[in-house]
Amino acid sequence: AQKITQTQPGMFVQEKEAVTLDCTYDTSDPSYGLFWYKQPSSGEMIFLIYQGSYDQQNATEGRYSLNFQKARKSANLVISASQLGDSAMYFCAMRVYTGANSKLTFGKGITLSVRP
Amino acid sequence: NAGVTQTPKFQVLKTGQSMTLQCAQDMNHEYMSWYRQDPGMGLRLIHYSVGAGITDQGEVPNGYNVSRSTTEDFPLRLLSAAPSQTSVYFCASSPTYSNQPQHFGDGTRLSIL
Repeated sequence: AQKITQTQPGMFVQEKEAVTLDCTYDTSDPSYGLFWYKQPSSGEMIFLIYQGSYDQQNATEGRYSLNFQKARKSANLVISASQLGDSAMYFCAMRVYTGANSKLTFGKGITLSVRP
Repeated sequence: NAGVTQTPKFQVLKTGQSMTLQCAQDMNHEYMSWYRQDPGMGLRLIHYSVGAGITDQGEVPNGYNVSRSTTEDFPLRLLSAAPSQTSVYFCASSPTYSNQPQHFGDGTRLSIL
C-alpha cells in the first residue's frame, strides 16, 4: 500500500527567502509519480510540480523545485524567493503506475506562512 | 474549457437525508475520483473510477455510493447523511497511468445537522 508522510508543523518563512517542505513516501512499486499541490485559503487545488520515479533529474517549475532522493524515498518541495502569495497549505501526493491500482494518495499537508 | 464541474458548491442537510453530489468533466479523462477534506486529515480518497462502468473503493468508502455510466459524469451519493460526513468534497479527474496531474473541481462544502 502507498503512504505519504508530511510531518512538519506549520512552517514560517521570511519573504524572499527559500523554504523546504518535506515529504516522504512508501511504496514497493518501481514505477510511480510524485505530485505537489498548493491549496490557498480560497480552497482550490493548484498543481505545482511533478517527479517521476525514473526521472534522472530533479523537476523544476519556475520558483518550485523538487529535491528527489529515491533511495531515501523523499520528495521535498523547495520554494525559492518566497512571496506573500505562497502562504497556503501544500500537499504531497503519489500515484503508482503498475497493476490495476492507479489511485492518487495524499499526505496530510503542511501549512506555510510567509512573513513580510 | 469547463474542466471539472462540481455542483452544488454548498449544501446543508439534516441527518438521515440523502443527496447526490454531481461531478462532470469535459476532458475525456478515464480516471475520476472523489475525496473528502477534513481539518488535519489531508485529502482522503472515497471512491474512484478508471472508466465507465468501473468503480472501486478508496480509503473511506463507508456511507457513500458511486456509479460511472458515462466517461463524463461521476456522481457521489450519500444514502443517509450523518454528521460525520460534514466535510469539503472534491472531485478530480485525469488520464489513467499518467504523469498528468489531477484536475480538481472547486469543491462542495457539505454540512450535516
